[in-house]
This record gives sequence, C-alpha cells and structure tokens, in this order.
Amino acid sequence: GENVEQHPSTLSVQEGDSAVIKCTYSDSASNYFPWYKQELGKGPQLIIDIRSNVGEKKDQRIAVTLNKTAKHFSLHITETQPEDSAVYFCAAKAIQGAQKLVFGQGTRLTINP
Amino acid sequence: GAVVSQHPSWVICKSGTSVKIECRSLDFQATTMFWYRQFPKQSLMLMATSNEGSKATYEQGVEKDKFLINHASLTLSTLTVTSAHPEDSSFYICSAIPRSGVIYYEQYFGPGTRLTVT
Repeated sequence: GENVEQHPSTLSVQEGDSAVIKCTYSDSASNYFPWYKQELGKGPQLIIDIRSNVGEKKDQRIAVTLNKTAKHFSLHITETQPEDSAVYFCAAKAIQGAQKLVFGQGTRLTINP
Repeated sequence: GAVVSQHPSWVICKSGTSVKIECRSLDFQATTMFWYRQFPKQSLMLMATSNEGSKATYEQGVEKDKFLINHASLTLSTLTVTSAHPEDSSFYICSAIPRSGVIYYEQYFGPGTRLTVT
C-alpha cells in the first residue's frame, strides 16, 4: 500500500520568510496530492492540490511542486504571516479505485513575528 | 461551497455508554464519506469508509461492532461509539467526496468532534 513520509516535523520561520515542507510517496499509482492545513481543535482544510499530469501549481502565496519520477512533492509558502501557523499535512491517493487518502505525519509550522 | 459539518463539536460521556456523532454535507451530496480518528500531535488515522446505502468498510484493526457507521443518505453519515471506554477518547473527524461535479475526488473535512470518556 501507499506510504507517505513528510518532513520536517516542526518548522519555525521568521515572518516574511518562505517555508518549504516536503513529502515522498511510495506508490507510483498515486496521482492526486492534496495539502491540508489544520488549526488547533479544527478539522483539516484543503489549501491546494496537484494532479500528476502537472508539475507545479500556484495559488497566491502557496505553491506545490511535484516530481513524479522521484515520487516527491513539496509545499512552498512565501511571505509567511502569523496566520500561517498551523499543522500542515500532505496526502496522496490514486483517483481511481479505493479513493483512500494516505496522510503524511504532519508538519507544525510556527511563524515568528 | 463544499462544507461538511459535525455534531456535536465536543461530547463527554461516562464509560460504558454509547455516543453518536453526526456528519453532514451541507451543500453537496456525498458519494463517499470517511471517518478518521486523530490523537494529540498525530496524523489522521482512517477508521472506515462508508457509501450511501451500503455497509461501511473498516480498516484493519478497527472494531466494526464498537464503531457503528450508518450512511443513511447522500448527506448524512453517523458514527456511534458503543460501550465507550477512556481509551476511545479522541478527536473524530469525518470527510466527504462530492457525488458529482468537475472535481470528483476532492475530499472535504468536517470540523471534528472531541470525545472524552470519563
């Protein structure tokens, strides 16, 4: 089955700097890679996703890159703000079939003012 | 759009009792709903997958007789924790995939339910 590894587990950056979180996956059949942001005591919120037919996707300050050959994908947050502080999870799944998302371990991002 | 709600947001129950958690898709019909469990500072663990009108599929190690799932309609799934014990205390989160639309695989999560068993 699919296995998703995420690192780092914690990340602290200065406000205004960029943050990068990386994930690797094992199953070459996976073709959908969402990123979720989870604030304390709340459910995960989908912030951006990418399909395997695309190498990069950007939405304002957030971007995701995918290297299908190397089986890794990354989340990039630029011009970080205090409200970006949260736990971020990457995930992977194959769109066809069981549709089960497999999550990474999570990264606790802290933005220091 | 794509809002998922859960009720209650938190619940405290005594050991040995049962508690029901509701998950609703508010503005879409859900082909499939999922139930997750999350312990503090850990990732989400999938418990079961439910499809409307059929029996839920449980992940390995999850007791189907303890965690009863009913997906009664395209907008409602319920999770009942039966004979709850303190070790069942956790954050339970549901999610749903819209039935139709251009993006049919995006998964939306509810706000979670904090269960404390005393």
